[in-house]
Amino acid sequence: DQQVKQNSPSLSVQEGRISILNCDYTNSMFDYFLWYKKYPAEGPTFLISISSIKDKNEDGRFTVFLNKSAKHLSLHIVPSQPGDSAVYFCAANSGGTSYGKLTFGQGTILTVHP
Amino acid sequence: DGGITQSPKYLFRKEGQNVTLSCEQNLNHDAMYWYRQDPGQGLRLIYYSQIVNDFQKGDIAEGYSVSREKKESFPLTVTSAQKNPTAFYLCASRISLGNEQFFGPGTRLTVL
Repeated sequence: DQQVKQNSPSLSVQEGRISILNCDYTNSMFDYFLWYKKYPAEGPTFLISISSIKDKNEDGRFTVFLNKSAKHLSLHIVPSQPGDSAVYFCAANSGGTSYGKLTFGQGTILTVHP
Repeated sequence: DGGITQSPKYLFRKEGQNVTLSCEQNLNHDAMYWYRQDPGQGLRLIYYSQIVNDFQKGDIAEGYSVSREKKESFPLTVTSAQKNPTAFYLCASRISLGNEQFFGPGTRLTVL
């Protein structure tokens, strides 16, 4: 049972436009969400995160929105740049005995065209 | 420079052989994790350790083993019992009260 889902395997965007990557989750115990960026044959790098007590977090060109009632989060990249082309993973963390364990989505391949 | 190192970058083994993947961190993090990534799939948790001399199975632990004798080191052994060992293996670490995991560069294991 996939608790974190990224339903779009790929997304193609023109340079300068907005990229919106989506993520859905099913486990209501998740209380912290993260986005990672990954290039081929490299480890993921942390981008931005959001706690379940917030509905928005912004860091430069990156903004994450959380809709708890819909169990949905999204990552907005504005403006998109060719260097943003990578695989983006969303991940979720729950507290308690599972604290620190991340559950990842399948990833979305973002391609930004010049 | 603080970080996580994984060696080697590429590893080839014959079917039926055990192989150990190295993961070292100098971030002074307590928790360490092993994931595998297969094409078109997300990262799946193999084993994790919250503290030295203690570790727990993740979602796909069958055919793998780990040890955590030192805070800095969390080696993963892929045994001959693992049915599909060819994959990209990622090690990560996390500071005690943080949510963010920091990843190493990964090891591509190919079993021939």
